[in-house]
Amino acid sequence: QVQLKQSGAEVKMPGASVKVSCKVSGYTLSELPMHWVRQAPGKGLEWMGGFDPEEGETIYARKFQGRVTMTEDKSTDTAYMELSGLRSEDAAVYYCATGHWSGYLVFAYWGQGSLVTVSS
Amino acid sequence: DIQLTQSPSSLSASVGDRVSITCRASQSISFYLNWYQQKPGRAPEALIYAGSTLQSGVPPRFSGSGSGTAFTLNISSLQPEDFATYYCQFAKGPHRTFGQGTKVEIK
Repeated sequence: QVQLKQSGAEVKMPGASVKVSCKVSGYTLSELPMHWVRQAPGKGLEWMGGFDPEEGETIYARKFQGRVTMTEDKSTDTAYMELSGLRSEDAAVYYCATGHWSGYLVFAYWGQGSLVTVSS
Repeated sequence: DIQLTQSPSSLSASVGDRVSITCRASQSISFYLNWYQQKPGRAPEALIYAGSTLQSGVPPRFSGSGSGTAFTLNISSLQPEDFATYYCQFAKGPHRTFGQGTKVEIK
């Protein structure tokens, strides 16, 4: 059974960067295409990007291109999402999500979420 | 990029009601659609993938149908634990957009 454990809440100043981690257990990160989804308070789910097995690379949503970097440390089975140039509208819960790739991907596994607050 | 539009944005229903939620894609996406349920303060959970296949462990009162540009999530007999927000998601890369969500509230 896949489990995803995320890092804790963060408070950041506008303009700063935040790096959220997602530790995988039960499987190795190499077996799972990791994605990141965020949810602003009272709003819907917003896909930020992730590893696309068909493309063979990490794809970022156009909205975040240039500001987001998603990386993986396969030695520790930990995925990271770093968002730079934070603004108030980046305040949200950030989730890592993944599933088993078999030619089709559904996010069957989610982290518990990491709350990012942006405040001066 | 594919845009997904859900309707309605919210609905009120009673326990035992049949509920239908629609997700329309801006262009044909074949069967590449997932449905998720999210309860307040919780991470989303997968309900249905590939348009109509029930995720393991999901009660059979949930069903999905459709292909191309129009998809439907049905709940045959609404239970108290089903009051939540439901999202559709485009399931073929590289841009895996979500619909805006449909909140199912108690009538």
